[in-house]
Order: sequence, then C-alpha cells, then structure tokens
Amino acid sequence: GQQLNQSPQSMFIQEGEDVSMNCTSSSIFNTWLWYKQDPGEGPVLLIALYKAGELTSNGRLTAQFGITRKDSFLNISASIPSDVGIYFCAGLLYNQGGKLIFGQGTELSVKP
Amino acid sequence: KAGVTQTPRYLIKTRGQQVTLSCSPISGHRSVSWYQQTPGQGLQFLFEYFSETQRNKGNFPGRFSGRQFSNSRSEMNVSTLELGDSALYLCASSIDRGISGEAFFGQGTRLTVV
Repeated sequence: GQQLNQSPQSMFIQEGEDVSMNCTSSSIFNTWLWYKQDPGEGPVLLIALYKAGELTSNGRLTAQFGITRKDSFLNISASIPSDVGIYFCAGLLYNQGGKLIFGQGTELSVKP
Repeated sequence: KAGVTQTPRYLIKTRGQQVTLSCSPISGHRSVSWYQQTPGQGLQFLFEYFSETQRNKGNFPGRFSGRQFSNSRSEMNVSTLELGDSALYLCASSIDRGISGEAFFGQGTRLTVV
C-alpha cells in the first residue's frame, strides 16, 4: 500500500537553530499536509500544500510540495522551546476522498 | 468557532467488551474520518464518512465500525475488544471529501483495554 517515509525520526537541536525534515513516497499525492502533535493531544494542522512546486510559509515554518508530487519538506527557522513535539507529514491521494496517509513522525527536542 | 470535539477523552475497558466513541465535527464540516494511533503503527486510517455514508475504509477488521448522523456527528464502535485495540483514537473533520484536503483533528479518545 501507499507509504510515506519521513526523516529524520528524531532531532535534538539547540534553541535558535534551523530544522529541516522531509517526506518521500513512491506514490503521487494530490495534497501534502504538515501537522504538529503535542503529548496527549490531537495533531494540529500547520501547513497545507496543493500544487507541485508550491512553497508556503506560516510564520517561522516553510513547507514545499515537491515537483514530482512524491515528496515534501518542512523547515522551521530559529527554533524555540515550544517547537518541541512530533511533526507529521500527511498526503492525500487523488480519488481517495479524505483518507490521509501519514509519515512515521519526526520527534523534535529543543535545548534552551 | 468550536473545534472538533471527541468524547470521552479517556476510557478503560475490559477485553471482550465493546466501546462507542463520539466525534462532533467543526460546524459546517460534512466529512469525518477516524484514525487509530499507536506507538508501533503510527496513525492508521480507519474509515471516512460523508453525508451519512461510509466512503472509504482502511484495513481494519469488521469489529471496527462507524456511522454518521444527519448533523454530521459521528460515532465509531469497537466490538469484542482486544488488548491490541489500546490506542489513541482520533477523529478529523473536513469541509468536504478531500477537495480541499485540510483535515482538523480532535484531541482524541485514549482507549485502554485491560
């Protein structure tokens, strides 16, 4: 079945550093979404991408929809302690309705 | 605008019992999807409902079922609970069946089967 490979699995960084994570797949996706999840909570939508090559920002977050439609990356600039959490990519396939395929997540730790 | 509301937040059930979880989507959203989240398998799609009809189903046994009401609220039911059903169950709502793609999640129901 369709899978999303998300990397890295975890990151330990210093406050103020930039962070980059990405997702790849063998399938072509219609939409890419990036979520952040805090412990015990549901995922919160950060950025949605709809077109190949699209680059979208949300504050310190920037995400891109890959040209091949098979990958996406998320960058976080100047990280702060509240960026700690698990980041998930999710893809929506054409003709699959609202079924999201999720990556395995990237656990981010920020040292003050 | 209220977000997605899931009840209850926590549940402890005994193996063999059944359980019903509830999800109230964002007002105006007609698509509701359910996901199971476990440390080993991550986030796995259970099923999606749109206008009271199941439009998509994941690879879960028939013990997992759901329904959607005319006000778009949704319930999922798990019968004959097994220890492996312990997980965080998440509900997500969307305006439509994936045209926009943006899905908003509730806080989840943490189910523990003992």
